[in-house]
Amino acid sequence: EVQVVESGGGLGQPGGSLRLSCAASGFTFRNFWMSWVRQAPGQGLECVAKIKDDGTETYYMDSVKGRFTISRDNAKNLLYLEMNSLRAEDTAVYYCARDPHFNAYDIWGQGAMVTVSS
Amino acid sequence: DVVMTQSPLSLPVTLGQPASISCRSSQSLVHSDGNTYLTWFQQRPGQSPRRLIYKVSNRDSGVPDRFSGYGSGTDFTLKISRVEAEDVGVYYCMEGTHWPTFGGGTKVEIK
Repeated sequence: EVQVVESGGGLGQPGGSLRLSCAASGFTFRNFWMSWVRQAPGQGLECVAKIKDDGTETYYMDSVKGRFTISRDNAKNLLYLEMNSLRAEDTAVYYCARDPHFNAYDIWGQGAMVTVSS
Repeated sequence: DVVMTQSPLSLPVTLGQPASISCRSSQSLVHSDGNTYLTWFQQRPGQSPRRLIYKVSNRDSGVPDRFSGYGSGTDFTLKISRVEAEDVGVYYCMEGTHWPTFGGGTKVEIK
């Protein structure tokens, strides 16, 4: 079965750090771009970061540039999101999504809840 | 930045009746390769988003044929020919030609 499963969410302090992981299975992970998409409580969707299939290119939404880092380990079929300098507005469900072509996300995980609060 | 505007915000529909959702972009979504990267997603209550339609009108495997997408340039539509109870949820359009940007969503509910 083709799937991605997120882990690592939880409670983070303002100014603190959290790391999300996404385990991919059922497909050739190294052949696909991947993204992190988040959804604040009761709100819509926004793409936070994306990474090229070989990991050589990364892109971020403006509000997380310099704070978040997307990375991947193609040998282990894992995607990561390192989140630093957390802010209350980073509170959201973070989805790992497979991107087969031009951001048309066809596989989504169940999501990992991140809450930033003191 | 491209802005994606969906309407209506809320769409009460009678079972078995059609429904249409509009999505407009602030810039053309035609890519230099000639394709238009406009995608539709369904998010049922408490679930992750699910892709329904990609490149304007291509329906995903397993998506009922009552769902169809059409449009061009900056103006796109998702149509449900006969709404069923399982179609309740929020529908999002998303442009992938530039930075992936989602519309604000349209909540489909049964009258």
